[in-house]
Amino acid sequence: GENVEQHPSTLSVQEGDSAVIKCTYSDSASNYFPWYKQELGKGPQLIIDIRSNVGEKKDQRIAVTLNKTAKHFSLHITETQPEDSAVYFCAASLPGNQFYFGTGTSLTVIP
Amino acid sequence: EPEVTQTPSHQVTQMGQEVILRCVPISNHLYFYWYRQILGQKVEFLVSFYNNEISEKSEIFDDQFSVERPDGSNFTLKIRSTKLEDSAMYFCASIGVLATYEQYFGPGTRLTVT
Repeated sequence: GENVEQHPSTLSVQEGDSAVIKCTYSDSASNYFPWYKQELGKGPQLIIDIRSNVGEKKDQRIAVTLNKTAKHFSLHITETQPEDSAVYFCAASLPGNQFYFGTGTSLTVIP
Repeated sequence: EPEVTQTPSHQVTQMGQEVILRCVPISNHLYFYWYRQILGQKVEFLVSFYNNEISEKSEIFDDQFSVERPDGSNFTLKIRSTKLEDSAMYFCASIGVLATYEQYFGPGTRLTVT
Protein backbone atom coordinates (compact mmCIF):
# COMPACT_ATOMS: atom_id res chain seq x y z
CA GLY A 1 0.00 0.00 0.00
CA GLU A 2 0.84 3.67 -0.03
CA ASN A 3 3.41 5.07 2.41
CA VAL A 4 3.61 8.81 3.04
CA GLU A 5 6.62 10.33 4.77
CA GLN A 6 6.59 13.89 6.07
CA HIS A 7 9.40 16.19 7.23
CA PRO A 8 10.17 17.96 9.43
CA SER A 9 8.18 16.80 12.44
CA THR A 10 8.55 20.20 14.10
CA LEU A 11 9.26 23.58 12.58
CA SER A 12 9.70 26.98 14.21
CA VAL A 13 9.86 30.16 12.17
CA GLN A 14 9.83 33.86 12.91
CA GLU A 15 6.69 35.74 12.00
CA GLY A 16 6.96 36.94 8.43
CA ASP A 17 9.35 34.19 7.35
CA SER A 18 8.45 31.30 5.07
CA ALA A 19 7.77 27.72 6.11
CA VAL A 20 8.24 24.66 3.92
CA ILE A 21 6.99 21.17 4.70
CA LYS A 22 7.88 18.23 2.50
CA CYS A 23 6.23 14.89 1.84
CA THR A 24 7.08 11.86 -0.21
CA TYR A 25 4.82 9.06 -1.33
CA SER A 26 5.50 5.59 -2.60
CA ASP A 27 2.63 4.60 -4.90
CA SER A 28 2.73 6.18 -8.35
CA ALA A 29 -1.02 5.51 -8.67
CA SER A 30 -1.77 8.23 -6.11
CA ASN A 31 -3.30 11.17 -7.91
CA TYR A 32 -4.60 13.57 -5.28
CA PHE A 33 -2.55 15.31 -2.61
CA PRO A 34 -4.31 17.43 0.01
CA TRP A 35 -2.83 19.36 2.89
CA TYR A 36 -4.68 19.66 6.17
CA LYS A 37 -4.26 22.03 9.09
CA GLN A 38 -5.20 20.70 12.49
CA GLU A 39 -5.62 23.01 15.42
CA LEU A 40 -5.70 21.74 18.97
CA GLY A 41 -8.89 19.81 19.70
CA LYS A 42 -10.23 20.09 16.17
CA GLY A 43 -10.47 17.90 13.13
CA PRO A 44 -8.20 18.32 10.10
CA GLN A 45 -9.20 21.19 7.83
CA LEU A 46 -8.35 21.16 4.15
CA ILE A 47 -6.21 24.17 3.26
CA ILE A 48 -5.01 23.35 -0.23
CA ASP A 49 -4.79 20.39 -2.56
CA ILE A 50 -3.21 19.41 -5.85
CA ARG A 51 -3.93 16.75 -8.42
CA SER A 52 -1.37 14.77 -10.33
CA ASN A 53 -1.96 16.61 -13.58
CA VAL A 54 -0.78 19.89 -12.02
CA GLY A 55 2.73 20.85 -10.88
CA GLU A 56 1.95 23.83 -8.69
CA LYS A 57 -1.01 25.53 -7.11
CA LYS A 58 -1.19 28.74 -5.12
CA ASP A 59 -3.81 30.27 -2.86
CA GLN A 60 -2.75 33.59 -1.37
CA ARG A 61 0.08 32.83 1.09
CA ILE A 62 -0.10 29.08 0.61
CA ALA A 63 1.32 27.10 -2.30
CA VAL A 64 1.82 23.44 -3.03
CA THR A 65 4.23 21.89 -5.54
CA LEU A 66 4.20 18.36 -6.89
CA ASN A 67 6.98 16.41 -8.51
CA LYS A 68 5.43 13.21 -9.86
CA THR A 69 8.70 11.80 -11.10
CA ALA A 70 10.34 12.07 -7.70
CA LYS A 71 7.08 11.33 -5.90
CA HIS A 72 7.26 14.28 -3.58
CA PHE A 73 5.16 17.31 -2.84
CA SER A 74 5.66 20.33 -0.64
CA LEU A 75 3.66 22.95 1.21
CA HIS A 76 4.94 26.51 1.20
CA ILE A 77 3.59 29.16 3.54
CA THR A 78 4.89 32.68 2.99
CA GLU A 79 4.68 35.67 5.33
CA THR A 80 3.81 33.42 8.22
CA GLN A 81 1.56 34.70 11.00
CA PRO A 82 1.04 33.44 14.56
CA GLU A 83 -2.35 32.04 13.57
CA ASP A 84 -0.57 29.71 11.14
CA SER A 85 0.71 27.80 14.17
CA ALA A 86 -0.83 24.32 14.04
CA VAL A 87 -0.10 20.75 13.00
CA TYR A 88 -0.03 20.26 9.24
CA PHE A 89 -0.65 16.92 7.58
CA CYS A 90 -0.06 15.92 4.01
CA ALA A 91 -1.96 13.05 2.45
CA ALA A 92 -2.00 11.02 -0.73
CA SER A 93 -5.03 9.45 -2.26
CA LEU A 94 -5.35 6.46 -4.50
CA PRO A 95 -8.17 6.48 -7.07
CA GLY A 96 -10.45 4.70 -4.57
CA ASN A 97 -10.33 7.86 -2.43
CA GLN A 98 -8.68 6.22 0.57
CA PHE A 99 -6.37 8.78 2.15
CA TYR A 100 -2.91 8.00 3.52
CA PHE A 101 -1.63 10.66 5.87
CA GLY A 102 1.85 11.78 6.72
CA THR A 103 3.03 11.90 10.32
CA GLY A 104 2.39 15.62 10.71
CA THR A 105 4.47 18.76 11.20
CA SER A 106 3.99 20.94 14.23
CA LEU A 107 4.53 24.51 13.02
CA THR A 108 5.19 27.28 15.51
CA VAL A 109 5.30 30.86 14.29
CA ILE A 110 7.13 33.05 16.77
CA PRO A 111 5.80 36.61 17.01
CA GLU B 1 -21.30 26.66 5.84
CA PRO B 2 -22.26 22.98 6.05
CA GLU B 3 -20.10 20.90 8.36
CA VAL B 4 -19.64 17.37 9.58
CA THR B 5 -20.68 16.92 13.20
CA GLN B 6 -19.72 14.17 15.63
CA THR B 7 -21.05 13.07 19.01
CA PRO B 8 -20.01 12.67 21.70
CA SER B 9 -16.94 14.88 21.80
CA HIS B 10 -15.42 12.66 24.49
CA GLN B 11 -16.34 9.10 25.44
CA VAL B 12 -14.86 7.22 28.36
CA THR B 13 -15.51 3.50 28.53
CA GLN B 14 -14.22 0.45 30.30
CA MET B 15 -12.29 -2.22 28.47
CA GLY B 16 -14.59 -4.82 26.96
CA GLN B 17 -17.53 -2.46 26.63
CA GLU B 18 -19.23 -1.58 23.38
CA VAL B 19 -19.18 1.99 22.12
CA ILE B 20 -20.97 3.71 19.28
CA LEU B 21 -19.55 6.87 17.80
CA ARG B 22 -21.92 9.00 15.82
CA CYS B 23 -21.43 11.27 12.85
CA VAL B 24 -23.72 13.44 10.79
CA PRO B 25 -22.05 14.00 7.41
CA ILE B 26 -22.73 17.01 5.25
CA SER B 27 -26.15 16.81 3.69
CA ASN B 28 -26.15 15.30 0.18
CA HIS B 29 -22.71 13.78 0.63
CA LEU B 30 -22.54 10.15 -0.44
CA TYR B 31 -19.10 8.92 0.54
CA PHE B 32 -18.28 8.47 4.22
CA TYR B 33 -15.13 7.63 6.09
CA TRP B 34 -13.83 6.86 9.54
CA TYR B 35 -10.28 7.62 10.58
CA ARG B 36 -8.52 7.38 13.89
CA GLN B 37 -5.61 9.26 15.35
CA ILE B 38 -3.73 7.87 18.32
CA LEU B 39 -2.31 10.71 20.42
CA GLY B 40 0.73 12.21 18.73
CA GLN B 41 0.54 9.94 15.70
CA LYS B 42 -0.71 10.21 12.14
CA VAL B 43 -4.31 10.02 11.05
CA GLU B 44 -5.07 6.44 9.95
CA PHE B 45 -7.76 5.29 7.56
CA LEU B 46 -10.25 2.80 8.99
CA VAL B 47 -13.10 2.36 6.52
CA SER B 48 -14.98 3.95 3.65
CA PHE B 49 -18.68 3.55 3.00
CA TYR B 50 -20.75 4.17 -0.08
CA ASN B 51 -24.20 3.14 -1.22
CA ASN B 52 -24.93 1.49 2.12
CA GLU B 53 -21.94 -0.78 2.09
CA ILE B 54 -18.28 -0.81 2.96
CA SER B 55 -16.20 0.04 -0.09
CA GLU B 56 -12.78 -0.29 1.50
CA LYS B 57 -11.31 -1.04 4.91
CA SER B 58 -7.87 -1.10 6.44
CA GLU B 59 -6.13 -3.78 8.48
CA ILE B 60 -7.11 -1.90 11.62
CA PHE B 61 -10.80 -2.39 10.86
CA ASP B 62 -11.15 -5.93 12.19
CA ASP B 63 -14.21 -7.84 13.32
CA GLN B 64 -14.53 -5.67 16.42
CA PHE B 65 -15.49 -2.72 14.23
CA SER B 66 -18.65 -2.13 12.25
CA VAL B 67 -20.24 0.82 10.50
CA GLU B 68 -23.82 1.62 9.78
CA ARG B 69 -25.96 4.28 8.24
CA PRO B 70 -29.17 3.66 10.16
CA ASP B 71 -31.08 6.53 8.62
CA GLY B 72 -30.63 9.26 6.07
CA SER B 73 -28.36 11.41 8.20
CA ASN B 74 -26.34 9.43 10.77
CA PHE B 75 -23.23 7.39 10.13
CA THR B 76 -22.00 5.31 13.06
CA LEU B 77 -18.88 3.44 14.06
CA LYS B 78 -19.33 0.64 16.58
CA ILE B 79 -16.55 -1.01 18.51
CA ARG B 80 -17.94 -4.20 20.04
CA SER B 81 -15.43 -4.94 22.77
CA THR B 82 -13.07 -2.07 23.35
CA LYS B 83 -9.41 -2.55 24.11
CA LEU B 84 -6.98 -0.15 25.73
CA GLU B 85 -5.30 0.40 22.36
CA ASP B 86 -8.57 1.66 20.90
CA SER B 87 -8.04 4.89 22.82
CA ALA B 88 -7.71 7.57 20.15
CA MET B 89 -9.45 10.41 18.37
CA TYR B 90 -11.92 9.13 15.83
CA PHE B 91 -12.75 11.35 12.89
CA CYS B 92 -15.60 11.05 10.48
CA ALA B 93 -15.28 12.54 7.00
CA SER B 94 -17.46 12.84 3.93
CA ILE B 95 -17.18 13.65 0.26
CA GLY B 96 -19.77 15.35 -1.87
CA VAL B 97 -21.99 14.06 -4.57
CA LEU B 98 -19.52 14.60 -7.38
CA ALA B 99 -16.75 12.73 -5.55
CA THR B 100 -14.51 15.72 -5.93
CA TYR B 101 -11.90 14.18 -3.62
CA GLU B 102 -12.10 16.92 -0.99
CA GLN B 103 -12.84 15.22 2.31
CA TYR B 104 -14.46 17.30 5.02
CA PHE B 105 -13.64 16.18 8.53
CA GLY B 106 -15.68 16.39 11.68
CA PRO B 107 -14.22 17.66 14.97
CA GLY B 108 -13.63 14.14 16.22
CA THR B 109 -14.60 12.01 19.21
CA ARG B 110 -11.96 11.35 21.80
CA LEU B 111 -12.34 7.76 23.00
CA THR B 112 -10.67 6.81 26.24
CA VAL B 113 -10.67 3.15 27.21
CA THR B 114 -9.77 2.44 30.82
